[in-house]
Amino acid sequence: RKEVEQDPGPFNVPEGATVAFNCTYSNSASQSFFWYRQDCRKEPKLLMSVYSSGNEDGRFTAQLNRASQYISLLIRDSKLSDSATYLCVVNNPGGSYIPTFGRGTSLIVHP
Amino acid sequence: GAGVSQSPSNKVTEKGKDVELRCDPISGHTALYWYRQSLGQGLEFLIYFQGNSAPDKSGLPSDRFSAERTGGSVSTLTIQRTQQEDSAVYLCASSAFQDFPGLAGSSYNEQFFGPGTRLTVL
Repeated sequence: RKEVEQDPGPFNVPEGATVAFNCTYSNSASQSFFWYRQDCRKEPKLLMSVYSSGNEDGRFTAQLNRASQYISLLIRDSKLSDSATYLCVVNNPGGSYIPTFGRGTSLIVHP
Repeated sequence: GAGVSQSPSNKVTEKGKDVELRCDPISGHTALYWYRQSLGQGLEFLIYFQGNSAPDKSGLPSDRFSAERTGGSVSTLTIQRTQQEDSAVYLCASSAFQDFPGLAGSSYNEQFFGPGTRLTVL
C-alpha cells in the first residue's frame, strides 16, 4: 500500500457543484496533514492545513478521520478557477521532516 | 517579498551532458527540498537540507545526482551524464523550520515552491 493515496480523477463537475476528494494514508502515527493546489504547469501552493477538529476556509472544508486514516477536502459552489490538481500531503513522526505528497486529484470545473 | 527562485526555467541538453540547476530559497528559510515531477506524475522527493545538518539524500535516484547548499542559502542540483529518463520538472521548495511542541517528531511548516526548471534530455 502506498503511503499516501489519492484518486487521480479527473473529477469533472459543473460550476456551482459541491465536490469532495479523499486521501488515505498508511502510517497511523502520521501527525500533520495538508492540502496543496497545483495549477497546470505551475508549482504547488498550500491551500490549507488539516486539523483534527476540521477546518473551514470560505468554500473549502478539510476534515481528518484518524480512525479510518484519511483526510478529505470539500469544495462548495465550485468555480471555474477551482480547476487544478489537489495534492494531499502527510508528514510523519520520527524525526523525518520530509513530507509525503500524494499524486494528486485533478478537478475540472466546466461552465 | 521575494519568493523561491530557480534557474534556468528551461534547460534542453543532450544525453550524456552534465547540468546544474539552481535554487534561491526565501531568505531566512533553513529547510530546502528538491523534488522532481514527471508529466502527469506526483512529486518525487530527491534531497532535503536543514540548516547545517547533513542533508537527507535518500531520494536521489542514482549517484549521477548530487546537490549542494552553500552558506545555508543557495542550492545547486547537479545531474551528471544525463539520461532521457531524467527529463522532468525539477522543483525546489523552502520552509522555515518549526517544531510543534507536544507533537513528538512532528515538525513541518508550509513549503514555498519555486517555479521549477523544466529539463529536457534529448
